[in-house]
Amino acid sequence: RKEVEQDPGPFNVPEGATVAFNCTYSNSASQSFFWYRQDCRKEPKLLMSVYSSGNEDGRFTAQLNRASQYISLLIRDSKLSDSATYLCVVNSGPHSGAGSYQLTFGKGTKLSVIP
Amino acid sequence: DGGITQSPKYLFRKEGQNVTLSCEQNLNHDAMYWYRQDPGQGLRLIYYSQIVNDFQKGDIAEGYSVSREKKESFPLTVTSAQKNPTAFYLCASNSGAFNQPQHFGDGTRLSIL
Repeated sequence: RKEVEQDPGPFNVPEGATVAFNCTYSNSASQSFFWYRQDCRKEPKLLMSVYSSGNEDGRFTAQLNRASQYISLLIRDSKLSDSATYLCVVNSGPHSGAGSYQLTFGKGTKLSVIP
Repeated sequence: DGGITQSPKYLFRKEGQNVTLSCEQNLNHDAMYWYRQDPGQGLRLIYYSQIVNDFQKGDIAEGYSVSREKKESFPLTVTSAQKNPTAFYLCASNSGAFNQPQHFGDGTRLSIL
């Protein structure tokens, strides 16, 4: 099983639509979770951290389900500028030895918002 | 402004040549990382350093070398032993705490001549 798995897409949605991305992770000891956004040929940029209770930042909502080892990102009222690849990122936490500070990146889900 | 600076933006390597990619940060971060990204692939960790004068191999360290003589700097050398070096190279840093996200430089694209 891949460590961090995402649907590669692409997701093609009209402006104003709501779109949801899902991500599963295999390491049950994972402690921290993030969503990054990567524009074409650019570096990844942090979109938001994901907290156990779920968290919201404007049009973006992230949720974590530890029991199912599942993370989600919901984007409401999609804008053209939301078009990008969204990366699910997981850290294995402080108790996993030499790899404790490593992040594992999913391959990303591509979103295209269409006028 | 605080940030991570990578240079050069584009780099071309001849066969048998070693090349060095620069990464400098002024965020006062303890930990620094090097990743490689190939088209359609996730980021893969090459090397990381949690403190000055110490670094660890990541998942794909073969054919690469690093040094961490200063807190601000973490250069990556792509040696001639790396047979498939064409990729997008990304440097990142964070405080080193496991729950802190990493912040990235804008990357170096390396191609073979």
